[in-house]
Amino acid sequence: KNQVEQSPQSLIILEGKNCTLQCNYTVSPFSNLRWYKQDTGRGPVSLTIMTFSENTKSNGRYTATLDADTKQSSLHITASQLSDSASYICVATPYSGNTPLVFGKGTRLSVIA
Amino acid sequence: NAGVTQTPKFRILKIGQSMTLQCAQDMNHNYMYWYRQDPGMGLKLIYYSVGAGITDKGEVPNGYNVSRSTTEDFPLRLELAAPSQTSVYFCASSEGQNNEQFFGPGTRLTVL
Repeated sequence: KNQVEQSPQSLIILEGKNCTLQCNYTVSPFSNLRWYKQDTGRGPVSLTIMTFSENTKSNGRYTATLDADTKQSSLHITASQLSDSASYICVATPYSGNTPLVFGKGTRLSVIA
Repeated sequence: NAGVTQTPKFRILKIGQSMTLQCAQDMNHNYMYWYRQDPGMGLKLIYYSVGAGITDKGEVPNGYNVSRSTTEDFPLRLELAAPSQTSVYFCASSEGQNNEQFFGPGTRLTVL
């Protein structure tokens, strides 16, 4: 069964610190891996999309990594800001054309002053 | 561009009532999607469309219907609302299946 598991479920860090969020997926065959940021009460916003052949992709202070062999991805946030407080959702895209995206439950990040 | 817009933002329904959630996009995207997000759960695909006149079921289509008469609009219809349909509904669109999906702000629906 296609699944995406994220850890931790929630995380609290001090402003200015770095953090890393984890994602394991069992989607196969696999096309690409996405990370979304979802602010409270808003729709998800795309941060990165990586194909199976890419190892890393950055978007400002966000850096995503992908290991297609171990089926793991991580999202590293550098020098966190209060505005980084949100849910971060890992999404795996199956290769098959009509198979829907598989969403993780998200990691809830709280950045405090 | 307004991107993806959804109306209403909030709605409370009684069991058995019907309603239509509206979704529109102005990016000329062929692909459009409806998701529901239950508390503490990942988004689940309800229906999707790959172009005007074409719709397909997602993972959780029961109790819902959609239509896609134009590229811009993709309304979601609930015919007989049930408490199990209490959720936040998100509409999204993309240029192609493997492209970035752009999400609307969501509709929070409560069925009592």
